[in-house]
Amino acid sequence: AQKVTQAQTEISVVEKEDVTLDCVYETRDTTYYLFWYKQPPSGELVFLIRRNSFDEQNEISGRYSWNFQKSTSSFNFTITASQVVDSAVYFCALRYMDSNYQLIWGAGTKLIIKP
Amino acid sequence: GAGVSQTPSNKVTEKGKYVELRCDPISGHTALYWYRQSLGQGPEFLIYFQGTGAADDSGLPNDRFFAVRPEGSVSTLKIQRTERGDSAVYLCASSPQLAGASPNEQFFGPGTRLTVL
Repeated sequence: AQKVTQAQTEISVVEKEDVTLDCVYETRDTTYYLFWYKQPPSGELVFLIRRNSFDEQNEISGRYSWNFQKSTSSFNFTITASQVVDSAVYFCALRYMDSNYQLIWGAGTKLIIKP
Repeated sequence: GAGVSQTPSNKVTEKGKYVELRCDPISGHTALYWYRQSLGQGPEFLIYFQGTGAADDSGLPNDRFFAVRPEGSVSTLKIQRTERGDSAVYLCASSPQLAGASPNEQFFGPGTRLTVL
């Protein structure tokens, strides 16, 4: 089965705190891609990162970082020094090779950053 | 604009009516996707076009749903005999995806919020 689980439905932190959003995936494929998207209140999904299954290097982009661990089938997302503008729903998604490029989405984690 | 556009932004209709939702992808993007998103959930795949043809329509829930992309650019999602359960945000995305190439990011439009009364 191909599945993405985001166990955290909602997280609330105070501005400037660090926060990690969890993503656990299931796939039998050896080649697959993982994505994170942000959906602000305006509703438009914004691409954040793509990672293929052969690249386990962690990635950092400004205040954002991603930790990909194949051993635990996880692709977690950390925001350092959170800001109010980070408030949004964050989705993790999986694309496997026979999927005709459709994305399998997690249910999303709503992140609330309080000033 | 340079992004994916969708019209209308909101559509309210009565049960049993027919609706059309339009998606204008980014110019030059060959791949186009339709998703449906219910409140508190992630997007649910409906259909994928590569050029003019529907390469994968396995996500369409039933035969009341149909989508076309006659010239390989604009796409229309058509819903016949709408039901209250069809109420959701319908998202369109496009990507410069070439068949067989590794997947690129999908660029999403703002969505059409469909409400069936």
